[in-house]
Amino acid sequence: EPEVTQTPSHQVTQMGQEVILRCVPISNHLYFYWYRQILGQKVEFLVSFYNNEISEKSEIFDDQFSVERPDGSNFTLKIRSTKLEDSAMYFCASIGLAGEDTQYFGPGTRLTVL
Amino acid sequence: AQKITQTQPGMFVQEKEAVTLDCTYDTSDPSYGLFWYKQPSSGEMIFLIYQGSYDQQNATEGRYSLNFQKARKSANLVISASQLGDSAMYFCAMREGGSASKIIFGSGTRLSIRP
Repeated sequence: EPEVTQTPSHQVTQMGQEVILRCVPISNHLYFYWYRQILGQKVEFLVSFYNNEISEKSEIFDDQFSVERPDGSNFTLKIRSTKLEDSAMYFCASIGLAGEDTQYFGPGTRLTVL
Repeated sequence: AQKITQTQPGMFVQEKEAVTLDCTYDTSDPSYGLFWYKQPSSGEMIFLIYQGSYDQQNATEGRYSLNFQKARKSANLVISASQLGDSAMYFCAMREGGSASKIIFGSGTRLSIRP
């Protein structure tokens, strides 16, 4: 069964450093998402992406964040200058053509900012 | 106002018993979808079940069923014959509008199954 994959599974970085989290959505999917979950809290929407453009973003997704689909398979989230409060689990998700109902989540990347 | 409310932060259930996890939602959009996800201690989000707002029947997937009461705006998850492996965090979630809309999550219920 096709699945969303994410790398790395765990990233440790120093405050102020740039990180890039990588996702490979399911191959025929068209809509892509990033969510985050701070430890012990609920999952929060960050951004959605379709047709090489951001379609929606939350107030969390400020100028420090950016997303890109650099090729036909990868979908990346970049945090330019990490802060302690960026420590969280980051989930990528994707959904296929209109009419499909379920967003499939990747296994997540645990980001730890020291 | 909270869009998704899960009022049970934690529950303990004896193995093989059925368990109901509560979820209420708030939306004025006539088209919406309701989801339940399971998050084990390893952290991944596992899709369990989906209910569309226009679906006439309650969704079922194996041991999982969704008790959809539209007038009450509730979407409770029922797990029949619970197993030790069901111990996890369970999130109720909703999308408003089309299928590509973002998903909004509740705060979750931690379910612990006793042997």
